[in-house]
Amino acid sequence: QSGLTQPPSASGSPGQSVTISCTGTSSDVGGYNYVSWYQQHPGKAPKLMIYEVTKRPSGVPDRFSGSKSGNTASLTVSGLQAEDEADYYCSSRGVSDNVMFGGGTKLTVL
Amino acid sequence: EVQLVESGGGLVQPGGSLRLSCAASGFDFNIHYMTWVRQAPGKGLESVAKITPDGSAQFYVDSVRGRFTVSRDNAKKSLYLQMNNLRAEDTAVYYCAQEHWFRTAYWGQGTLVTVSS
Repeated sequence: QSGLTQPPSASGSPGQSVTISCTGTSSDVGGYNYVSWYQQHPGKAPKLMIYEVTKRPSGVPDRFSGSKSGNTASLTVSGLQAEDEADYYCSSRGVSDNVMFGGGTKLTVL
Repeated sequence: EVQLVESGGGLVQPGGSLRLSCAASGFDFNIHYMTWVRQAPGKGLESVAKITPDGSAQFYVDSVRGRFTVSRDNAKKSLYLQMNNLRAEDTAVYYCAQEHWFRTAYWGQGTLVTVSS
């Protein structure tokens, strides 16, 4: 039950775009369209930002978008704002219907 | 409004036991998968255990299988996690969450479990 691979950090200046990757295998990310992305501010519970690769829950700004190619999913944050600074986690359906998470990416707004 | 409120965390010695509870409200509890996700201090998220809507099947991460038991009481709209033979590496904030098609849109505030002598 290995986790998904994310870069430990990412950064961008206000107004810029940043993309965070999430790499798995054909048994998880590549095999299903059940990739989600979560935002977590310090001391808070995670918040769902993207589900089923590209869908945004109600209330999530359209500055957040998701995509997938092969075994790698990506989260793009456009028009970076100070409040976007947080930890971001990807997750995917895996074998045996489990859910696996990535190690997380700390996004810094410069 | 969906609410998930965990309780039962605390300090326990290695080898000890603890039972976490999660009280749910604001949604049809008995038709949703429920899951426990934990986060060790300064670390990432880990899905620990999941249970089907009727409680007939449970799923566990390898590191807790045989030590943790997830259960639910749909009449009380409650989710539980019985944790036995606790280890230092089980120290984490434990979140109760509603899982719907492999995503978790609703999370509790978390309860801290500390395993230490």
